[in-house]
Amino acid sequence: DIVLTQSPDSLSVSLGERATINCKSSQNVLLSSNNKNYLAWYQQKPGQPPKLLIYWASTRESGVPDRFSGSGSGTDFTLTISSLQAEDVAVYYCQQYYDNPITFGQGTRLEIK
Amino acid sequence: QVQLQESGPGLVKPSQTLSLTCTVSGGSISSGSFFWSWIRQPAGKGLEWIGRIFTSGTTNYNPSLKSRVTISLDTSRNLFSLNLTSVTAADTAVYYCARFYYHIDVWGKGTTVSVSS
Repeated sequence: DIVLTQSPDSLSVSLGERATINCKSSQNVLLSSNNKNYLAWYQQKPGQPPKLLIYWASTRESGVPDRFSGSGSGTDFTLTISSLQAEDVAVYYCQQYYDNPITFGQGTRLEIK
Repeated sequence: QVQLQESGPGLVKPSQTLSLTCTVSGGSISSGSFFWSWIRQPAGKGLEWIGRIFTSGTTNYNPSLKSRVTISLDTSRNLFSLNLTSVTAADTAVYYCARFYYHIDVWGKGTTVSVSS
């Protein structure tokens, strides 16, 4: 199985500041034939299902604010929130869809400092 | 806009079978190149993918659950289902149904299933 390890486990950031969450994969998730990284990011607020933010590692889902961005390739990926807003408090998960079984990172809890 | 809604018992006895249904509205379950999937989340914990079914009926299951899981499709009623046999307390979780393209772009709201006698 592909193991995704997120860091940090929790993060406190001041409003308006940058938040950075990392996701490291135990295996490459870049498919060379189409040059796509099979990695997505989700945001989950309490009592709600996860919400898709980013797919193909860096493509923002429609309707997601542009303060959210994804980067990285191969085995190392980053989700960046450029200017933290109060509504961004949530748990964030990365997920790979390169191989079965589909796997998720353990989650990163983001709070306001 | 496609919406998903889980339904089924909220309480299952140990050793019995957990059965859930996901009803798809706003679109046909047979259209497009989608997988239809089940994911679960124990309280306060992370997400675990259970498995998925393609519109052709092809299935993929998480090896950790494969011996106990069956996912099926009912195109006439526009729904798909999860059966998980021989449940234990470790199967207590919120169960989500979801639509996969490659990533998961549509989620149900989730349904809580507790395993207890």
